[in-house]
Amino acid sequence: TQLLEQSPQFLSIQEGENLTVYCNSSSVFSSLQWYRQEPGEGPVLLVTVVTGGEVKKLKRLTFQFGDARKDSSLHITAAQTGDTGLYLCASEVGNEKLTFGTGTRLTIIP
Amino acid sequence: NAGVTQTPKFQVLKTGQSMTLQCAQDMNHEYMSWYRQDPGMGLRLIHYSVGAGITDQGEVPNGYNVSRSTTEDFPLRLLSAAPSQTSVYFCASSRTLGGNYGYTFGSGTRLTVV
Repeated sequence: TQLLEQSPQFLSIQEGENLTVYCNSSSVFSSLQWYRQEPGEGPVLLVTVVTGGEVKKLKRLTFQFGDARKDSSLHITAAQTGDTGLYLCASEVGNEKLTFGTGTRLTIIP
Repeated sequence: NAGVTQTPKFQVLKTGQSMTLQCAQDMNHEYMSWYRQDPGMGLRLIHYSVGAGITDQGEVPNGYNVSRSTTEDFPLRLLSAAPSQTSVYFCASSRTLGGNYGYTFGSGTRLTVV
């Protein structure tokens, strides 16, 4: 089973600041998915990255897939209180089941 | 579309009781799965199904049974509830396994076993 390590585990910043969270593995990802989970709800898919070096943008969120496909990052510009939540990365390895990291719990302080 | 619907939202069981967590999806997805989410442990796969009539075990299957008689429904059965099964349970579906399709999750069932 591939292990996905996410860092930091917790992050609390002021509204308007920028932040980056990371997802790493010792194995190569076939692809990587990022989800956001709000309290009392299930995870919601934000993006899927497939190609090494790929960059995808979703409004103020920028997702990057490492060239070697062993790491990924999520950068949020000018954080807003609505960005508060648990951010999870997940990967299918060789068409196997989706494995999740333990997540980064982000709190944006007004 | 309703997406993935889970019932009940909350449940309290006594040790030894059995119950079924319901999951239904209306997106004609072939792949369905059950996860449990515990603090510090992330989401762990319990059972999954790649199509009607086909099920398989995930990472933590002990104490749980599943069946997939239709494409739409994938119930999770707790045979004899134990306090260690206190958790939040999520059902998820995807168009298929592999192929980089995202998963759609239900809103979860919070289960407490006393």
